[in-house]
Amino acid sequence: DIQMTQSPSSLSASVGDRITITCRASQSISAFLNWYQQKPGKAPKVLIYAASNLQTGVPSRFSGSGSGTDFALTISSLQSEDFATYYCQQSFSIPTTFGQGTRLEMK
Amino acid sequence: QVQLVESGGGVVQPGTSLRLSCAASGFTFSSNGFHWVRQAPGKGLEWVALIWYDGSKKNYTESVKGRFTISRDNSKNTLYLQMNSLRVEDTAVYYCVRDQGYCSGGNCYEWFDPWGQGTLVTVSP
Repeated sequence: DIQMTQSPSSLSASVGDRITITCRASQSISAFLNWYQQKPGKAPKVLIYAASNLQTGVPSRFSGSGSGTDFALTISSLQSEDFATYYCQQSFSIPTTFGQGTRLEMK
Repeated sequence: QVQLVESGGGVVQPGTSLRLSCAASGFTFSSNGFHWVRQAPGKGLEWVALIWYDGSKKNYTESVKGRFTISRDNSKNTLYLQMNSLRVEDTAVYYCVRDQGYCSGGNCYEWFDPWGQGTLVTVSP
């Protein structure tokens, strides 16, 4: 199985900050990488698919980059509603696997 | 609107069975593959099972093979997960998710959207 490792596991930031979360795959997955946001008590929702494509309706402050084994999710200017947990997911091969999550907290 | 609604969760004892259902609406159910994804309390996301749009292929995570069965009824727009021989470690919120995708340059990319609200399965002695 492909292992997905996110860093950091948790992050404290303030409204207006620019933050980046990284995700590393244990083998090359081309651009088969998705990012999800999950708020407490809610189901995850997709933000970015195929490494860099913004899902319809997701604010443009979110962006994704990378290919191969190294990927990043960037939020250009944090808003209060962005404090949540973020997961990367590889869809290169079955079983699909997720990173362990990055908890973004308000400083 | 596009919606997935799970049901069937509950509290059960180890070794027993439970069947989850996921009712879909707002789109053509028979056009998409579906997955079950679970999340143990306070933990991350774990993929459980996949079924193709026509039910012809199924895949499972290793820990549930031989115990769980994913199925679908395209005439009822419903996805199922039959869970047998339940273990304490199966305790989780179970999400039904639709497989979305597009093909470009010879590659077909897939992601999960939407997710249902989840149904909690608690396996406890």
